[in-house]
Amino acid sequence: EAQVTQNPRYLITVTGKKLTVTCSQNMNHEYMSWYRQDPGLGLRQIYYSMNVEVTDKGDVPEGYKVSRKEKRNFPLILESPSPNQTSLYFCASSLQGMETQYFGPGTRLLVL
Amino acid sequence: GQSLEQPSEVTAVEGAIVQINCTYQTSGFYGLSWYQQHDGGAPTFLSYNALDGLEETGRFSSFLSRSDSYGYLLLQELQMKDSASYFCAGSNTGNQFYFGTGTSLTVIP
Repeated sequence: EAQVTQNPRYLITVTGKKLTVTCSQNMNHEYMSWYRQDPGLGLRQIYYSMNVEVTDKGDVPEGYKVSRKEKRNFPLILESPSPNQTSLYFCASSLQGMETQYFGPGTRLLVL
Repeated sequence: GQSLEQPSEVTAVEGAIVQINCTYQTSGFYGLSWYQQHDGGAPTFLSYNALDGLEETGRFSSFLSRSDSYGYLLLQELQMKDSASYFCAGSNTGNQFYFGTGTSLTVIP
């Protein structure tokens, strides 16, 4: 089944404790992206990647890192999480970027 | 800057037609997409316009006018299951995506 998977689905952590949210797609898509969703603000793009070893900042990259060492994986790293990073995070992929994006199920993060 | 404006809430009757508008300001604009989201679940793709005009996909249609920086999503033969949030998203030539703040659609019997 074609899908985007994210892990973990739910995470409670404390300020400053490094964490990684994994994202994987099995559709051989070149484009992958991370978004955060906050009430009243819609989805905001954090980082995106056009292909392996190519990553670019989205609208709200501060406090986040990403890497794209393999085509199928695009982990999101929070080196020192803060409470304002409490949010619902979505990973998405698409064939080449401009068209249909397929979203993962989301990761709910709470930073205390 | 980049911004997409859409109404926050819309209510419509089952079986009717509803239109959700989206106006945008996106430098290097490339295309406009529409996504549906139920109760914080994964957004799912509905429609995409890169060119002016109407795109039809079953009960859903989407329209784009580049000269007016405007688009809309048209939902026909509304069903109760169409109650959800709908987002327009603009993409630019730099492969970035910008989403509107979403329209909450409530379908009533």
